[in-house]
Amino acid sequence: AQSVAQPEDQVNVAEGNPLTVKCTYSVSGNPYLFWYVQYPNRGLQFLLKYITGDNLVKGSYGFEAEFNKSQTSFHLKKPSALVSDSALYFCAVREPGGYNKLIFGAGTRLAVHP
Amino acid sequence: EAEVAQSPRYKITEKSQAVAFWCDPISGHATLYWYRQILGQGPELLVQFQDESVVDDSQLPKDRFSAERLKGVDSTLKIQPAELGDSAMYLCASSDKAGANVLTFGAGSRLTVL
Repeated sequence: AQSVAQPEDQVNVAEGNPLTVKCTYSVSGNPYLFWYVQYPNRGLQFLLKYITGDNLVKGSYGFEAEFNKSQTSFHLKKPSALVSDSALYFCAVREPGGYNKLIFGAGTRLAVHP
Repeated sequence: EAEVAQSPRYKITEKSQAVAFWCDPISGHATLYWYRQILGQGPELLVQFQDESVVDDSQLPKDRFSAERLKGVDSTLKIQPAELGDSAMYLCASSDKAGANVLTFGAGSRLTVL
């Protein structure tokens, strides 16, 4: 069965520093991988996805993620964090084909300090 | 920008009462999803519709939860009777088809059961 793990409940980073939010996955076959962000009392917003092709995927708000098949990871990164990036980040995985559902990780809270 | 509409945004009810949530997806989106997000956890799929048909309700507690999408457009999720453990955010999302496509989420309906 497919699954996704986000090993850190919270990541703290100073404004202007690079940030990384970690995600590992387990799936049969080639995965579809996604990152979503959630601000307080709001629904989830799509950031980026990996389906195939270049392992480095660029998304919204300056975020990018690197797909590493050998390590089954899809870490979210940003070169320079902003205070406004503070939010809850979810990694998600889906097996290709049919109506296979999107499975979310438990989420990582990112806190960017001035 | 098109949005997924949900109502009500907040609902407080007593246990054993009935509650209902409504969702209007983005126009033209054939696939509609209901997710439940318990505080501190990632969203969990309750039910997925393709047009008016249910394609996945494996995690829906069918003894008390029901969902319908009669005309393949808007959808209603009902809980009867509500239990304390049902307190959560109920998120509706839609996509133009299943598979690799991105989900667009509504703002959610927060349920508190007393």
